[in-house]
Amino acid sequence: DTGVSQDPRHKITKRGQNVTFRCDPISEHNRLYWYRQTLGQGPEFLTYFQNEAQLEKSRLLSDRFSAERPKGSFSTLEIQRTEQGDSAMYLCASSLLGDEQFFGPGTRLTVL
Amino acid sequence: QKEVEQDPGPLSVPEGAIVSLNCTYSNSAFQYFMWYRQYSRKGPELLMYTYSSGNKEDGRFTAQVDKSSKYISLFIRDSQPSDSATYLCGGRPGGATNKLIFGTGTLLAVQP
Repeated sequence: DTGVSQDPRHKITKRGQNVTFRCDPISEHNRLYWYRQTLGQGPEFLTYFQNEAQLEKSRLLSDRFSAERPKGSFSTLEIQRTEQGDSAMYLCASSLLGDEQFFGPGTRLTVL
Repeated sequence: QKEVEQDPGPLSVPEGAIVSLNCTYSNSAFQYFMWYRQYSRKGPELLMYTYSSGNKEDGRFTAQVDKSSKYISLFIRDSQPSDSATYLCGGRPGGATNKLIFGTGTLLAVQP
């Protein structure tokens, strides 16, 4: 399967712990996006990379959130000092040059 | 007011029915319009996209955009139980942003 992959698929953590998620985009896709989706809502944009450069960040991305794409391939999203409000599905998407974004299966985070 | 408004449903139809899903958007700068299908606990799957007003057909699916009234529609002909999913509409605002803005999604159930 050459689609977008995300790891882990599920993460349960206690409030105050740090968590890190990984996204592997479709091979050769230079654009990578992170979104967050809560129950009953559509995905909300968090951040966007073109190659290794982080070009756009939402104000939803508080200072507890950090994303990296060090070599322009895979990306990580870290949440520090997790809060119960961080419980959501974290979705990664990638695209080549155009607007068509292809999503991965998501990482479901539960903060207890 | 959300940038993209979508009736959350649920919408229940018998197998073989024609389904009409509708969204409105408020930002007249939207340049790209799309529909995603999302099965329960899965990532969104790109169904159709367009840049212009008018109809775009792909098999049983027709996407329709009316920029003058800021209306986005998806029609599904000969609906099947496998079409049961949440359908997300949205678009990309103009300018330098690459983020997609989604509606809340409409839950569709096709009854056999």
